[in-house]
Amino acid sequence: AQSVAQPEDQVNVAEGNPLTVKCTYSVSGNPYLFWYVQYPNRGLQFLLKYITGDNLVKGSYGFEAEFNKSQTSFHLKKPSALVSDSALYFCAVQTGANNLFFGTGTRLTVIP
Amino acid sequence: EPEVTQTPSHQVTQMGQEVILRCVPISNHLYFYWYRQILGQKVEFLVSFYNNEISEKSEIFDDQFSVERPDGSNFTLKIRSTKLEDSAMYFCASRDRGASSGNTIYFGEGSWLTVV
Repeated sequence: AQSVAQPEDQVNVAEGNPLTVKCTYSVSGNPYLFWYVQYPNRGLQFLLKYITGDNLVKGSYGFEAEFNKSQTSFHLKKPSALVSDSALYFCAVQTGANNLFFGTGTRLTVIP
Repeated sequence: EPEVTQTPSHQVTQMGQEVILRCVPISNHLYFYWYRQILGQKVEFLVSFYNNEISEKSEIFDDQFSVERPDGSNFTLKIRSTKLEDSAMYFCASRDRGASSGNTIYFGEGSWLTVV
């Protein structure tokens, strides 16, 4: 069975500092991993995904994520945080039936 | 950029009433989904739909729920006899045919259902 863990409910970072939002997963077979962002009162926006190939995946708005097979992690990163990055971030794993199983979400607050 | 659109954005209904949430998936997509998010909780899978039939459903998707693609563009979620605990944001989503694994699922803005 697939599962996704986001160990931090809340991450605070100062504007301009690098940010990391953590995600670990458990899947059988090859993992297909996704990050989505949810701004206040909005839907889920796709940020990036890892399917195969290069472990460092680049996505929208300057975000990137690093797939680490040995640590079963897929942490979301950005070199320099913006106040506008404040949102709820969800890590997700694609199930065998091609649906998405989501983590519990991490609320990112970027402090001016 | 093509997007999934949902109506209504917010609906308030009395307990026991029927609700229909509507979605227009991205035009060339063939796989459709409904997810829900209870306030402050994670996003949960309800049902997936392909080729005019349900391909998978979660244990949440019981007989109270049904989905339909009444025409070439709309995809609806019907909730019969709503309960207070049905209050949630309901997201419609879609993806294209492509290779089955790893295709991105795109979400709409959501329909916020409040049952009173």
